[in-house]
Amino acid sequence: QKEVEQDPGPLSVPEGAIVSLNCTYSNSAFQYFMWYRQYSRKGPELLMYTYSSGNKEDGRFTAQVDKSSKYISLFIRDSQPSDSATYLCAMSGGTGGFKTIFGAGTRLFVKA
Amino acid sequence: DTAVSQTPKYLVTQMGNDKSIKCEQNLGHDTMYWYKQDSKKFLKIMFSYNNKELIINETVPNRFSPKSPDKAHLNLHINSLELGDSAVYFCASSQQPGMGEQYFGPGTRLTVT
Repeated sequence: QKEVEQDPGPLSVPEGAIVSLNCTYSNSAFQYFMWYRQYSRKGPELLMYTYSSGNKEDGRFTAQVDKSSKYISLFIRDSQPSDSATYLCAMSGGTGGFKTIFGAGTRLFVKA
Repeated sequence: DTAVSQTPKYLVTQMGNDKSIKCEQNLGHDTMYWYKQDSKKFLKIMFSYNNKELIINETVPNRFSPKSPDKAHLNLHINSLELGDSAVYFCASSQQPGMGEQYFGPGTRLTVT
């Protein structure tokens, strides 16, 4: 079993839809949870950062962490064609040591 | 002003050659990383330095050797390049190791022919 599981998609939605992206993980020691956005031929860009459990909101983006279920989510409201990218979940901390473990990434297409 | 920069952006070379990739960050971070992203977009840690000290050294062929001359720079030298080394290599930095927020460079696309 991989430490972090993420459906690679692709996920295709119409403009304006609510998008839900998810990851599950196996290491209960993880404490820091991140979402990165990567456009084609660019480096990953930090989108959301959460410590431990709970929700965090930033504009159209909401990140949720459920440590009891080992499940994290990213919601995108009113999705735009410019949101079309690969979204990578990542986690670190605890007995995971210094390493950040990334999910495989989900390719998202938002159609105008 | 670019936070994390890498040179070169593209590198095309033949099998058996030796090449280097350079990375610089101007964020004042203590920790820097090298990642490899394969054709399926999977991002895998290779090395990490904290204050010029190697703290992560994953199972990587010893043809790959990182070097950190100071906190702001991290270079990657690859000897005897093989076809399987073709990938995109990303440099990243963070304030402290293992605490999550990492900032990535634009990547170096390496093609070995």
